Amino acid sequence: GQNIDQPTEMTATEGAIVQINCTYQTSGFNGLFWYQQHAGEAPTFLSYNVLDGLEEKGRFSSFLSRSKGYSYLLLKELQMKDSASYLCAVADSNYQLIWGAGTKLIIKP
Amino acid sequence: GAVVSQHPSWVICKSGTSVKIECRSLDFQATTMFWYRQFPKQSLMLMATSNEGSKATYEQGVEKDKFLINHASLTLSTLTVTSAHPEDSSFYICSARVREYEQYFGPGTRLTVT
Repeated sequence: GQNIDQPTEMTATEGAIVQINCTYQTSGFNGLFWYQQHAGEAPTFLSYNVLDGLEEKGRFSSFLSRSKGYSYLLLKELQMKDSASYLCAVADSNYQLIWGAGTKLIIKP
Repeated sequence: GAVVSQHPSWVICKSGTSVKIECRSLDFQATTMFWYRQFPKQSLMLMATSNEGSKATYEQGVEKDKFLINHASLTLSTLTVTSAHPEDSSFYICSARVREYEQYFGPGTRLTVT
């Protein structure tokens, strides 16, 4: 079966760094996405990885290891506005997105 | 960037009535659009894939006669919730595919059925 696992909730301090992990088992792989979703809003695109390695985009970076079925989203210099849910999604062989349940990130002052 | 709009952003309706939600790609053409439903504190659940000019493909467990999808043009897909019940109250989100690996979401429609 297809499965995406990520922690349910994480807490971090403003200004710190946090890493949100995602492991996956899917039928086929055409890339892994990270989305940010604030409460009551639709998801917004953060990153897309299809090759192994680290992609850096400002304060956010995303890493992929296809052999391990593993990705992480790294958030640096955390700000209060980063409090949100972070969704990991994998595109399967038909480019259909398989979604994780999301990780709720709580930022404390 | 690609912009997707949804209308209405929120709607309250009485049990037994039907509600139509529109999803538009504003600055690009989308042959494929997706409809999701999200209950509180849960992840997105794909309801159906909407392809322009053809019938939608529904996910297992989603009633196609209850959730009518029409993708009549390259910029518009509609979802009609027929004979709505309180358990249909949810956050409905559409997305439009630009390329295989690029998908943009609308702002969502919050439906409350009383």
